[in-house]
Amino acid sequence: GQQVMQIPQYQHVQEGEDFTTYCNSSTTLSNIQWYKQRPGGHPVFLIQLVKSGEVKKQKRLTFQFGEAKKNSSLHITATQTTDVGTYFCAGPQTGTASKLTFGTGTRLQVTL
Amino acid sequence: NAGVTQTPKFQVLKTGQSMTLQCAQDMNHNSMYWYRQDPGMGLRLIYYSASEGTTDKGEVPNGYNVSRLNKREFSLRLESAAPSQTSVYFCASSEVPTYGYTFGSGTRLTVV
Repeated sequence: GQQVMQIPQYQHVQEGEDFTTYCNSSTTLSNIQWYKQRPGGHPVFLIQLVKSGEVKKQKRLTFQFGEAKKNSSLHITATQTTDVGTYFCAGPQTGTASKLTFGTGTRLQVTL
Repeated sequence: NAGVTQTPKFQVLKTGQSMTLQCAQDMNHNSMYWYRQDPGMGLRLIYYSASEGTTDKGEVPNGYNVSRLNKREFSLRLESAAPSQTSVYFCASSEVPTYGYTFGSGTRLTVV
């Protein structure tokens, strides 16, 4: 079945350092979405990318969708303690427009 | 706006007991989903309802049943709870399938 993998599984950075998580799908995706889950919280939708090679920015966050539409990345510039949490990518399951497959997630820890 | 409301927030069950997790959304969304989240396993889809009156199985449906009571409400039932069903359960909704899920705050279920 379709698999969506993320690397790294966990990253610990000092506040002010940059952070990148990578998302790779075993199949081509019609779109890719990113979610953030704070510790003890629930996933919150951040953004959707649709076009091949698309790049979107939200303040210090930069999202990119690969040219082949099978991979994506989230880059955070100058991390802050408020960035702590787990970041998930998600894409529609192959053959259906009705449900998402979530990636395995990258847990980010930021310390002062 | 309440968004997606899940009840209860916490529950402890004995093996073999049954219970229903409730989910309601007030955003007039068409699609609703039930996920479970286990450490290191990400979010796995249990059941979903692409629109009112329809339900379908996800990745891990065994041991669960669902009811889309109306457009607002989507319940998840455990008929005979097992320790393997200890997890955090999230309900989510979206206006259209596979776009921008809004998640509830989750139900933390322990089966002993």
